[in-house]
Amino acid sequence: GQNIDQPTEMTATEGAIVQINCTYQTSGFNGLFWYQQHAGEAPTFLSYNVLDGLEEKGRFSSFLSRSKGYSYLLLKELQMKDSASYLCAVRVRAGTASKLTFGTGTRLQVTL
Amino acid sequence: DTGVSQDPRHKITKRGQNVTFRCDPISEHNRLYWYRQTLGQGPEFLTYFQNEAQLEKSRLLSDRFSAERPKGSFSTLEIQRTEQGDSAMYLCASSPRGAVSYEQYFGPGTRLTVT
Repeated sequence: GQNIDQPTEMTATEGAIVQINCTYQTSGFNGLFWYQQHAGEAPTFLSYNVLDGLEEKGRFSSFLSRSKGYSYLLLKELQMKDSASYLCAVRVRAGTASKLTFGTGTRLQVTL
Repeated sequence: DTGVSQDPRHKITKRGQNVTFRCDPISEHNRLYWYRQTLGQGPEFLTYFQNEAQLEKSRLLSDRFSAERPKGSFSTLEIQRTEQGDSAMYLCASSPRGAVSYEQYFGPGTRLTVT
């Protein structure tokens, strides 16, 4: 099976930088995704890592270390609209399927 | 491209009733997924279609649950004899053929409340 851990809640100030960590234990690893989910809405894709290293996309960056089973999502210049849940998800090889296994999500509260 | 759509958005039903949800994926996306999400949890995988073939089904999906994708386009998820534990958000996602990242695009979900 798969096990994915991320903090339940975080709070940060507008304009600051926040790092959300995710650790995973899985077999057949085939990529790690970060999704953003506002309350009552569908998850929206933020980033994808399959090789070690940092992927930068505007204010958001994601890092992966496969040997450590570790990823983080870095959010810079925080805005109030960044208040949301951030879901770490691992894709595993399973025949021809490419299902995602999600963590419980980290609820981020951005304050003034 | 109007994105993934789901219908209905909300469903309230009494325990023991049957319910059916529909998902229309992004056109030409050949992969379609169903997930279930309860409050404070991440989405849990239920089942996966590639075109019309159902290729994987989670153990979470009891005999009361069935999903179809008859023509490889829209999909339906039926729950028979609903139970209060079925109350959740049911999310549908699709992804395109041959995409490098296999990013999954989620629909807005159907929120089911079983009373």
